[in-house]
Amino acid sequence: GQQLNQSPQSMFIQEGEDVSMNCTSSSIFNTWLWYKQDPGEGPVLLIALYKAGELTSNGRLTAQFGITRKDSFLNISASIPSDVGIYFCAGQLGGGSNYKLTFGKGTLLTVNP
Amino acid sequence: GAGVSQTPSNKVTEKGKYVELRCDPISGHTALYWYRQSLGQGPEFLIYFQGTGAADDSGLPNDRFFAVRPEGSVSTLKIQRTERGDSAVYLCASSLLATGELFFGEGSRLTVL
Repeated sequence: GQQLNQSPQSMFIQEGEDVSMNCTSSSIFNTWLWYKQDPGEGPVLLIALYKAGELTSNGRLTAQFGITRKDSFLNISASIPSDVGIYFCAGQLGGGSNYKLTFGKGTLLTVNP
Repeated sequence: GAGVSQTPSNKVTEKGKYVELRCDPISGHTALYWYRQSLGQGPEFLIYFQGTGAADDSGLPNDRFFAVRPEGSVSTLKIQRTERGDSAVYLCASSLLATGELFFGEGSRLTVL
């Protein structure tokens, strides 16, 4: 089946630093999404990307949909302690399976105050 | 409540037992999804309902897993003859439309001893 490779697996940074994580796929997706999951919670959508090359921001978060449709990155600027959590990329296929999400394994972010 | 509600939040059972996990979606959401998240992994798709019918159950791992949504709202995921490998967090999500944003519940953590 589809595989998403997400890196890095974990990051330990100081408060105020910028963070970058990315996701690559062996197949094309027509939508890329980035989620954040806190302990004991379900994933919450951060940013959705619908067009190849699209660059979208949401506050301190910026994400891009790769031009090949096989990759995406997420940047977090000026990190704060509440950014701690697991970040997942997810891709959606086109056509009849548009609803189904394929998730990466996640990036665990730790922010040292 | 306003969000997706899942019960129980935690379930510990013995190998071979039968388990039911319940999901109450956001009111008015026609699409409902079940995902399974193993430790250190991203969520994996199990089944998708549009209204009362299972539109796609291709993610169910085997015939011990079954899900229903008889009135197009609450859904129950049923697992027969549980095995230790079934231990995971079972996440339910709903969306207004099949292509809309997914809202996840907090999950039901299943532990099979």
